[in-house]
Amino acid sequence: QKEVEQNSGPLSVPEGAIASLNCTYSDRGSQSFFWYRQYSGKSPELIMSIYSNGDKEDGRFTAQLNKASQYVSLLIRDSQPSDSATYLCAVNIGGFKTIFGAGTRLFVKA
Amino acid sequence: GAVVSQHPSRVICKSGTSVKIECRSLDFQATTMFWYRQFPKQSLMLMATSNEGSKATYEQGVEKDKFLINHASLTLSTLTVTSAHPEDSSFYICSASRGGLSNQPQHFGDGTRLSIL
Repeated sequence: QKEVEQNSGPLSVPEGAIASLNCTYSDRGSQSFFWYRQYSGKSPELIMSIYSNGDKEDGRFTAQLNKASQYVSLLIRDSQPSDSATYLCAVNIGGFKTIFGAGTRLFVKA
Repeated sequence: GAVVSQHPSRVICKSGTSVKIECRSLDFQATTMFWYRQFPKQSLMLMATSNEGSKATYEQGVEKDKFLINHASLTLSTLTVTSAHPEDSSFYICSASRGGLSNQPQHFGDGTRLSIL
């Protein structure tokens, strides 16, 4: 069974620090990877998409992909209390099938 | 702005009622949409894949006669929870991929919080 694994957390970081969120996946053939943020009681919203090995930066967010290690991560620089949410890693495993991780809860302390 | 619209956002109704939830893709066509359910503090659970013009594909353990899905147009999918009971109370979320390409991310609607009394 194809899986996406995330540490459930909670991950607690002080305001201004770098938050590092990690995700591993089992399907070696996956080519498309996504990070979503979900606030409590809300639906997920897309933060980043990444398709190639290496880093992709968008503002305070950096996604990192290593297909050989089947590993994708999300770095949040200068973390703010408003970044406190659950972060979902998602992996497309072919066709329209996307597998979501269970999410990592992040708390940013003011 | 929002690319997927979901309605209603909140439903409270009596046990035995059937509830219809609409999911619309805005300014793009979606041949495939997805329906998820999420219980408090739990992860997203894919219920079914909605296919325009054909039958939905249900995940294992999801009753197709209980959760009726209709995808009659390229921009609209509906989920009907038939004869809802308190155990059906949950957060239901739909999603669609822009451009009809499988490697594109899914965009989610705002979700429907269903409470069955």
